[in-house]
Amino acid sequence: KQEVTQIPAALSVPEGENLVLNCSFTDSAIYNLQWFRQDPGKGLTSLLLIQSSQREQTSGRLNASLDKSSGRSTLYIAASQPGDSATYLCAGEYNFNKFYFGSGTKLNVKP
Amino acid sequence: NAGVMQNPRHLVRRRGQEARLRCSPMKGHSHVYWYRQLPEEGLKFMVYLQKENIIDESGMPKERFSAEFPKEGPSILRIQQVVRGDSAAYFCASSPQGTGGNTEAFFGQGTRLTVV
Repeated sequence: KQEVTQIPAALSVPEGENLVLNCSFTDSAIYNLQWFRQDPGKGLTSLLLIQSSQREQTSGRLNASLDKSSGRSTLYIAASQPGDSATYLCAGEYNFNKFYFGSGTKLNVKP
Repeated sequence: NAGVMQNPRHLVRRRGQEARLRCSPMKGHSHVYWYRQLPEEGLKFMVYLQKENIIDESGMPKERFSAEFPKEGPSILRIQQVVRGDSAAYFCASSPQGTGGNTEAFFGQGTRLTVV
């Protein structure tokens, strides 16, 4: 059974800190892993997509890594800002066209 | 190019009524996916459709729920005889082809269904 777990469920940090969000998955036969941002009452914004053949992807202050052997992915946010406050979701794609989502990490960056 | 459009954004239904949720995929996208997010939970896959075909409905409840993606017009998720437990955010995503490689799925803003 494919399961995706995110720890911690909530995180509060002061502005400017570097931080790491964790995602673990039970099945290493993963096609893609994708990180999303969800703002309250809003939809999902794709942040980074890592294919199974890749180890990491970077976009601006964000860096996501994928370690299939250990069943883990991390999202690193550098120099956090209050505008980064949101819920971050990771999703693993095991079968084509079907994502398995974690429950998310709710991030609060305090000014 | 407008993103994935879902309407209505908010929908209130009384128990026993029908709910119809609409999703217009991005231009050029012929693959549509529906997900449900219960309060304080992650998104759960419901159904994957291509034009006029249901490809994978393994996440759909066996009763009262149906989905379609006609040749013309938006994809529709239909919930008959709604119950309180159907209250959730329903998200639609679309892609130009099947995902699984370097093809991303783009998500809409969701429809928040409240059953009273």
